[in-house]
Amino acid sequence: DQQVKQNSPSLSVQEGRISILNCDYTNSMFDYFLWYKKYPAEGPTFLISISSIKDKNEDGRFTVFLNKSAKHLSLHIVPSQPGDSAVYFCAASEGFQKLVFGTGTRLLVSP
Amino acid sequence: GAGVSQSPRYKVAKRGQDVALRCDPISGHVSLFWYQQALGQGPEFLTYFQNEAQLDKSGLPSDRFFAERPEGSVSTLKIQRTQQEDSAVYLCASSFTPEAQHFGDGTRLSIL
Repeated sequence: DQQVKQNSPSLSVQEGRISILNCDYTNSMFDYFLWYKKYPAEGPTFLISISSIKDKNEDGRFTVFLNKSAKHLSLHIVPSQPGDSAVYFCAASEGFQKLVFGTGTRLLVSP
Repeated sequence: GAGVSQSPRYKVAKRGQDVALRCDPISGHVSLFWYQQALGQGPEFLTYFQNEAQLDKSGLPSDRFFAERPEGSVSTLKIQRTQQEDSAVYLCASSFTPEAQHFGDGTRLSIL
């Protein structure tokens, strides 16, 4: 039973355009959501997060949107850059405890 | 360095051997987590420490897995009588504030 789902295994975008990565969850008790970025042979790097009391959080080129009624969140990267090419993991937690991860989306940004 | 440090980076063991994986968290980080990441999957929670107390070990797959953090800093994940399905990347994360866990680069364990 996968509580956090990333249904798109991969996404290709041109440099300068917007990248939109999606994530769905099933556990309504989740109250904190995070996005991590992962390069090969490295650990996940924290990117941005959002609390369930908000519906949007922005940090530079990265914005996370949360739709609680749909149990859906998305990460927008604009403008996308080749250095953004990596695997992106969505994660959720209940009360800032253990993280439940999705299976990841591989983003490729081409010049 | 200032980040979470894990050793060894790579470990190859024969089936049935015991292994020990080490995690040095960021100095001052109270919380420490262990995750297991199988190929093509996201990390899966194993266990959680707050200082030296193991508050959650619900993710440990069997009693062959054991974790400790005796002085509230360095942690060791031990796997006894390893099996092929234990092959994975083992990730350690630490945090000071509850919000963001900072991950090490992991130990890639291969069981032959």
